[in-house]
Amino acid sequence: AQTVTQSQPEMSVQEAETVTLSCTYDTSENNYYLFWYKQPPSRQMILVIRQEAYKQQNATENRFSVNFQKAAKSFSLKISDSQLGDTAMYFCAFTPYGGSQGNLIFGKGTKLSVKP
Amino acid sequence: GAVVSQHPSWVICKSGTSVKIECRSLDFQATTMFWYRQFPKQSLMLMATSNEGSKATYEQGVEKDKFLINHASLTLSTLTVTSAHPEDSSFYICSAAAGLAGGAYEQYFGPGTRLTVT
Repeated sequence: AQTVTQSQPEMSVQEAETVTLSCTYDTSENNYYLFWYKQPPSRQMILVIRQEAYKQQNATENRFSVNFQKAAKSFSLKISDSQLGDTAMYFCAFTPYGGSQGNLIFGKGTKLSVKP
Repeated sequence: GAVVSQHPSWVICKSGTSVKIECRSLDFQATTMFWYRQFPKQSLMLMATSNEGSKATYEQGVEKDKFLINHASLTLSTLTVTSAHPEDSSFYICSAAAGLAGGAYEQYFGPGTRLTVT
């Protein structure tokens, strides 16, 4: 079975500092995508970053970057220069290539609070 | 980026009545849409996968006769909660899938619908 594990239910960080959210996954697939989604208090799910498993280079989107370790099945999210607007639930998710339904497998989420 | 709308954003209904939630992909066509349910402080729980022009595929434990899904066009999927009961109160989220390389999908999410059954 494919699973996604986020071991940090809650985290907090001071504004302008850096925080890393962890995610591990389990799959026998070799080709897949990994995502980080953000869900702020509005509850709108927002795609933060996407990583294709065959790409060795870690994805980066402005202040957000990932550390993708395929052999270790680890996919952590680093948020630099944290802002108050980064306060949200963060979900790690996985989808395999050619999935018959294309559904995402989500972790349980990490609640991040950015403190002024 | 791709935009997905949901309507209504919030609905209150009486026990025993039915309520319909619409999910629209506004700027792209989606052959596949997904419906999720989210309880407070929990992750998203996939209820069903909706494919345009065919019957939806429901996840184990989801009552297909209670949660009717129709995907009649490439931009619209609807979820109807029939004979709603207070335990159906929840936050319902839809997403529309856009294709990625390798046959995978990226999902774009609607803003969600809060359903309260009294």
